[in-house]
Order: sequence, then structure tokens, then C-alpha cells
Amino acid sequence: KAGVTQTPRYLIKTRGQQVTLSCSPISGHRSVSWYQQTPGQGLQFLFEYFSETQRNKGNFPGRFSGRQFSNSRSEMNVSTLELGDSALYLCASSLDSPDTQYFGPGTRLTVL
Amino acid sequence: AQSVTQPDIHITVSEGASLELRCNYSYGATPYLFWYVQSPGQGLQLLLKYFSGDTLVQGIKGFEAEFKRSQSSFNLRKPSVHWSDAAEYFCAVGAWDMRFGAGTRLTVKP
Repeated sequence: KAGVTQTPRYLIKTRGQQVTLSCSPISGHRSVSWYQQTPGQGLQFLFEYFSETQRNKGNFPGRFSGRQFSNSRSEMNVSTLELGDSALYLCASSLDSPDTQYFGPGTRLTVL
Repeated sequence: AQSVTQPDIHITVSEGASLELRCNYSYGATPYLFWYVQSPGQGLQLLLKYFSGDTLVQGIKGFEAEFKRSQSSFNLRKPSVHWSDAAEYFCAVGAWDMRFGAGTRLTVKP
């Protein structure tokens, strides 16, 4: 079975721009969670989608949003980028929760 | 609120020596506990998990962990470390909104 894939792997943007990251979960997995990883804050939960609905949300501003499609693929959008948004964004999928989450390789976002 | 503490930011061990990485958690109910490993620039790979049952769980790459409810701990162990084990290790608790510890960076001396 193919693992979780994330595209693109690397992104460079400037402040004020917006960005969309994509995540394809493991086949059959319906839950997709997103995490932000930075050296200062570590790994932080952004949100979780299940069957096209946002089921849970972390403590991030509204500039961070996401969606999930009928095939369980998910996208994450960050608008009005700030320097502090530079991070590794990780996507994880699972059959449901609670269950084991399998992580993708991440998208490295750099905001200049 | 759930939280995870990994007291050791960085640990150095010699190849072939034993390893124990500490993890303490705070969780209001029966915890779902995980250990993940991350190599530089990579995503997280699951080493092992505990949901219920036997408190000593075996994982991949020769790792094991023991759940101790009385101590709110879930320490990771390996009897003999290999140079390829050098990486960052994260303990996590929860389900869809996992809380991660700050991580422990493992260096292996030849």
C-alpha cells in the first residue's frame, strides 16, 4: 500500500502571499490530520478532517484553513503568509480515530 | 488538558549500549500513547503504540516501551543501539489531535 504523500515537498513564498498544500492519505483512510512543526513550538495540531468535514481544530488563527475531498485527499491553505509560518507541515492519515496516524514526508514552507 | 513531557532534549550513547528515552504524559482518560522517530528532513515513522492490554509493547527496529499508569510514563527502550538509530524521537498522546513531546535527539557514538 502506498504511504501518505504530500505535495509539494518544498515551497518558498513571500509575506502576504497565500499557499495551498496537498495531502493524499493511505488508501481507505478517511481521517486526515495536519500538524505544524517548528524548532520553537515543536509539533502542533492544526485540524482534522473526516468524511469531508472538519471534525477538530487546534489553536491556530483563521488564516489556516483546510478541506477534504470525497476521495479523502486533503488540502491546507494559509492566507496572508507571515514569516512565522515558515515550518514543516505534516499530514497524517488514519482509518478513524482513535487509531494510529501515519505521517507523510511533509512540506517545507519557507516564507521570505 | 493532555500534555507530554520528554525531559531529555539530547542523549548520547555508544553503539551497542542500551537506551532508555523518558516520556511522561498527562491525560484525562485512558491514554493512547505513541512513539515516533524522525530522521532529518523526514516525516514521522511510528515505532510502537499502546492503546490497551499488555503494558509492555514491542515495536519495530527492536524497540519496546512500557506503560506505567501509576507513574504516567511510557518510556522507550532498546537493549543495543545501532548507529542508524541516531534521530529525533517523539512521544505522543491522544487520538485525532495528538500532543507531542518536544522530542529527544539521539546521538550514537561509534
